[in-house]
Amino acid sequence: KAGVTQTPRYLIKTRGQQVTLSCSPISGHRSVSWYQQTPGQGLQFLFEYFSETQRNKGNFPGRFSGRQFSNSRSEMNVSTLELGDSALYLCASSLGSRVGELFFGEGSRLTVL
Amino acid sequence: QKEVEQNSGPLSVPEGAIASLNCTYSDRGSQSFFWYRQYSGKSPELIMFIYSNGDKEDGRFTAQLNKASQYVSLLIRDSQPSDSATYLCAVIGGGADGLTFGKGTHLIIQP
Repeated sequence: KAGVTQTPRYLIKTRGQQVTLSCSPISGHRSVSWYQQTPGQGLQFLFEYFSETQRNKGNFPGRFSGRQFSNSRSEMNVSTLELGDSALYLCASSLGSRVGELFFGEGSRLTVL
Repeated sequence: QKEVEQNSGPLSVPEGAIASLNCTYSDRGSQSFFWYRQYSGKSPELIMFIYSNGDKEDGRFTAQLNKASQYVSLLIRDSQPSDSATYLCAVIGGGADGLTFGKGTHLIIQP
């Protein structure tokens, strides 16, 4: 069974640009969550999507957004990038009923210059 | 604001001994508790979850939950060098939100 796939794995952007990250969940998993991981703040919850609807949202500014498609694949977008957005962005999928039992992808490492 | 606190370590334990990792949480309404392991340069992987007070054992791992004290722990018996990693405690609170993670404890098993 294929795991969670995230693309791209690495990317470099400059301040003010925008970025879109993609995530394909494990087959059969309908919930996709996004987390930001930095050395200073650790893992922080961005949002969760279930059946194309945002079910939960963390405490991030509106520049961070996401969506989920009918095949459960998800994208997250960060607009007007800031230096502080440099981080590892992790996508995780789960069966919708078992919210905390997450299977993480390998992440997308974003560097903002 | 919901918080999950862990000692960052490093926690150094000799091979074959018991490693004890601890976590406290601030939201008394928290319902579900998880331990994730993260090797350097890798993504987190779920190793244990516990929903009820008491102990839950899975192989060499035991998770312990005390809701009255707002305390979760993970015991690793017969520690192996391959257990060296960062262990992340995570909690789902009483509200509708995702996992709140602690910053992790860096565990080193010394051969």
